[in-house]
Amino acid sequence: DTGVSQDPRHKITKRGQNVTFRCDPISEHNRLYWYRQTLGQGPEFLTYFQNEAQLEKSRLLSDRFSAERPKGSFSTLEIQRTEQGDSAMYLCASSPRGGQNTEAFFGQGTRLTVV
Amino acid sequence: DQQVKQNSPSLSVQEGRISILNCDYTNSMFDYFLWYKKYPAEGPTFLISISSIKDKNEDGRFTVFLNKSAKHLSLHIVPSQPGDSAVYFCAASRYSGNTPLVFGKGTRLSVIA
Repeated sequence: DTGVSQDPRHKITKRGQNVTFRCDPISEHNRLYWYRQTLGQGPEFLTYFQNEAQLEKSRLLSDRFSAERPKGSFSTLEIQRTEQGDSAMYLCASSPRGGQNTEAFFGQGTRLTVV
Repeated sequence: DQQVKQNSPSLSVQEGRISILNCDYTNSMFDYFLWYKKYPAEGPTFLISISSIKDKNEDGRFTVFLNKSAKHLSLHIVPSQPGDSAVYFCAASRYSGNTPLVFGKGTRLSVIA
């Protein structure tokens, strides 16, 4: 399968713990996006990378959130000191860089539950 | 503020009939629009897109119409099939898709056999 891969699919953690999610994009895609989706809402943009450079961060991305893409391939999203409000589906997507009218391809997401 | 709006949370259609899902946007800088389909516990799957230089794009049973003056787009599915039952998200982007997508809240489509 050469689609976007996310790991883990599900994560249950206690409030205050740190969690880290991984995303492997489609191999020839330079752009990688993180979104968050809560119940009844559409995906909300968090941050994105072009190769290893983090180009934009949303206001939604508090100081407890950090994302990396060290070699321009896979990416990690870490949430420190998790809160119950962090419970959501975290989606990763990738797209070719600089394309005209190219769609983003999404992974299956990581469902985070903070108890 | 919500830049992409899907005002109908749900829609129910009989199998074989046309499904019409609507989307409005407020940001006139958007120039690329997409529809994604989402099943429970899965990520969104790309369905169809349209550039602002066009007013219609067709792919099999799916057609997207864009009315730039009204800042409105719609997705037509004909004929509707039970497998089309899912949540449909409208999304918009600037610079021909080179900025992060802004999504609506989605419309849940139920196609009844």
